[in-house]
Amino acid sequence: DAMVIQNPRYQVTQFGKPVTLSCSQTLNHNVMYWYQQKSSQAPKLLFHYYDKDFNNEADTPDNFQSRRPNTSFCFLDIRSPGLGDAAMYLCATSRNPGTETYEQYFGPGTRLTVT
Amino acid sequence: GESVGLHLPTLSVQEGDNSIINCAYSNSASDYFIWYKQESGKGPQFIIDIRSNMDKRQGQRVTVLLNKTVKHLSLQIAATQPGDSAVYFCAEVSPGWGKLQFGAGTQVVVTP
Repeated sequence: DAMVIQNPRYQVTQFGKPVTLSCSQTLNHNVMYWYQQKSSQAPKLLFHYYDKDFNNEADTPDNFQSRRPNTSFCFLDIRSPGLGDAAMYLCATSRNPGTETYEQYFGPGTRLTVT
Repeated sequence: GESVGLHLPTLSVQEGDNSIINCAYSNSASDYFIWYKQESGKGPQFIIDIRSNMDKRQGQRVTVLLNKTVKHLSLQIAATQPGDSAVYFCAEVSPGWGKLQFGAGTQVVVTP
């Protein structure tokens, strides 16, 4: 089945130690997104790629970076994780917005713990 | 660890009853709306969408109603089942590239 895959599902890192979260998709969608979701809150968009075009949200800290080496893969790099970065990180994809639908397809998420 | 989150509004529903989840949206220019269901430990899952040129749309056991006058969206779930227990988010899409603006979410708890 076509899908959005996130690895690992659970990640533990130490305070200040760089960490990379991975996302891959078999949907061949143009757009890929990274969201941060804290407990009992809505997902918060960090940034998105439209093909290779990177778009950062204005309030996304510099500590968060992303790479998209090809259509299928997208990575979230947290350069120096703080305790406040502990959260669920969701990857999502969509087709060209507005062509048919604005639906975003979400992966299962990576739960990040910072010790 | 993670900061303490907010407490989500909770809707407690008896199995077999109908559920109504409400959402107020903020941008009168938003022209597309989506309801997502998120089960514990999983990513959001698409339920149903509606464009602003419609007032109502029906899916399997779900109906979305849109009232643009008061910027209100609702999701009705018929014959609620234990598997419907989850957090439900509405999301609005403003004209442009398709950014989803999520509402706060409602926790639905189905009791036997």
